[in-house]
Amino acid sequence: QVQLVQSGAEVKKPGASVKVSCKTSGYSFTTYVLHWVRQAPGQRLEWMGWINTGNGNTKYSQKLRGRATITRDTSANTTYMELISLASEDTAVYYCARGPSGFDYWGQGTLVTVSS
Amino acid sequence: EIVMTQSPDTLSVSPGERATLSCRASQSISTNLAWYQQKPGQAPRLLIYGASTRATGVPARFSGSGSGTEFTLTISSLQSEDFAVYYCQQYNNFFGQGTKVEIK
Repeated sequence: QVQLVQSGAEVKKPGASVKVSCKTSGYSFTTYVLHWVRQAPGQRLEWMGWINTGNGNTKYSQKLRGRATITRDTSANTTYMELISLASEDTAVYYCARGPSGFDYWGQGTLVTVSS
Repeated sequence: EIVMTQSPDTLSVSPGERATLSCRASQSISTNLAWYQQKPGQAPRLLIYGASTRATGVPARFSGSGSGTEFTLTISSLQSEDFAVYYCQQYNNFFGQGTKVEIK
């Protein structure tokens, strides 16, 4: 069965960076685009960006461009999302999700807390 | 940037009643729209893609319609497990602010 399993919760100080992983299984990794979505406490879902797992091309939301980097390791069937220059507003649950026509499978979410 | 706006913010419905949720795009997105259900502490669940196609395993009481800029999600007869927050999303892009469906 298709599974997306994310790395564990993180606590970071303002100005630091975080890297969250999403390991996939149960399907051909390079066949589907993978997206990252975050949700701050009590807020709406926010699309962050996606990666074409076949060729590594990426696209990011304008809001996060320059701070977020999405990569993939095809040998490990894993995608990564790194966010730099963290601020308190980046405290959120971060999800990976499989596209492209609607996100049909999601990771379990990774809570990233930014606090001094 | 296309903005997705949902209405209402909160919908109070009795079990067994019909619920109609709306989603508007700031410019035409054809039928490139998905609907999700999210319960507290859980990842979202895909309900509808292509504006009107039910995802695998989604009950027939959920239906989607619309194209261009106006979209609707209808739950024909609300069950207890349907009380949740619902989001629309332009494919591979932004989400609406969500509609909370609560028990009346």
